[in-house]
Amino acid sequence: LAKTTQPISMDSYEGQEVNITCSHNNIATNDYITWYQQFPSQGPRFIIQGYKTKVTNEVASLFIPADRKSSTLSLPRVSLSDTAVYYCLVGGSDSSYKLIFGSGTRLLVRP
Amino acid sequence: NAGVTQTPKFQVLKTGQSMTLQCAQDMNHEYMSWYRQDPGMGLRLIHYSVGAGITDQGEVPNGYNVSRSTTEDFPLRLLSAAPSQTSVYFCASSSAMYEQYFGPGTRLTVT
Repeated sequence: LAKTTQPISMDSYEGQEVNITCSHNNIATNDYITWYQQFPSQGPRFIIQGYKTKVTNEVASLFIPADRKSSTLSLPRVSLSDTAVYYCLVGGSDSSYKLIFGSGTRLLVRP
Repeated sequence: NAGVTQTPKFQVLKTGQSMTLQCAQDMNHEYMSWYRQDPGMGLRLIHYSVGAGITDQGEVPNGYNVSRSTTEDFPLRLLSAAPSQTSVYFCASSSAMYEQYFGPGTRLTVT
């Protein structure tokens, strides 16, 4: 099982771009990289998923280098409502449906 | 389409009591899982299932049992509650492409 490592916390200000990096050195060939957001007292919510290169949706971008040993979640122009915990997960292929959450990154967005 | 539902929302147990946390999904997802989240911590995988009749252990399975008799339901049984099982329990489901949908959680206190 690929283990992930993320910064424990990050601070930012409204309107800035935030990049959260996740390290996953033991990622398997068929594993996908998925990011979740969690607000207090709620279950995690899916943000974005990718396999390689770059993926973009309406809320975030995900950058994955060629070796896939890390990934970066990019949140453009954050607002106060983006204050949350962000989790990076690796897995989901047929051989690794055991999806393990890491400790996550607590993002605090200040006015 | 209700998504993932969990009952009860809150539960208080005495040490040694048993109970079942219910989880149901109406999205015809094959993959379902149970996580626990202790205060200020990340999510830890308890058990998961890749289809009806198939279950497997996660990171912290001791003290919990699961079964998956239908695609829709994935109950979690606490065999003999202990104070260490005080936590918030989240159920999740996903299709083969790994985007997990989480329920609202069950807050369990064991005294």
